[in-house]
Amino acid sequence: NAGVTQTPKFRVLKTGQSMTLLCAQDMNHEYMYWYRQDPGMGLRLIHYSVGEGTTAKGEVPDGYNVSRLKKQNFLLGLESAAPSQTSVYFCASSARFLRTTLYNSPLHFGNGTRLTVT
Amino acid sequence: GQQVMQIPQYQHVQEGEDFTTYCNSSTTLSNIQWYKQRPGGHPVFLIQLVKSGEVKKQKRLTFQFGEAKKNSSLHITATQTTDVGTYFCAGRAGSGAGSYQLTFGKGTKLSVIP
Repeated sequence: NAGVTQTPKFRVLKTGQSMTLLCAQDMNHEYMYWYRQDPGMGLRLIHYSVGEGTTAKGEVPDGYNVSRLKKQNFLLGLESAAPSQTSVYFCASSARFLRTTLYNSPLHFGNGTRLTVT
Repeated sequence: GQQVMQIPQYQHVQEGEDFTTYCNSSTTLSNIQWYKQRPGGHPVFLIQLVKSGEVKKQKRLTFQFGEAKKNSSLHITATQTTDVGTYFCAGRAGSGAGSYQLTFGKGTKLSVIP
């Protein structure tokens, strides 16, 4: 049971290049999320998905696109990388929860992808 | 939008001393979660608080949720070197379409001097 797996672990891009980060989870979770972590900034939500075929924007979506074609996978794409996108990217998943309750299911994070854009 | 402020940003303590980190929200929260991230690692869920005034304990860790559900704290008694890491709070504001989203504080980085 691997949990949440992110690939690649490290990547260096030149400005203007594109890439896709892959996230896979084997916990049958409904919800998946992409966060970025920058020094002193905490974790900021980029995009999220509440089910196969659905995605939504988070706090900092500009410059990123996502797709959730299969329940277990959530892809994050950078079409034209910029130095401001240098960051550590974390994927997370959580079980379904009722929005009418006060609870949120805990987030399970992957090990992260360290991206440098030069 | 919702903001979650966390203080202090850094804390250096001698092993055996106590440690507290505080979280304050600009809006009333439905719940608050706490996560720990070890150096070089990923955030790991610690606990969730939902009720006004709730207090939960996990061994040497005590978590509190304020009466107004706008603030929370994590207190560690007699820190150990294994407590080193960054502690994040994450809150959910209200219900509705935004309720899938947790807003994270910037974290408190704890260093423990042996």
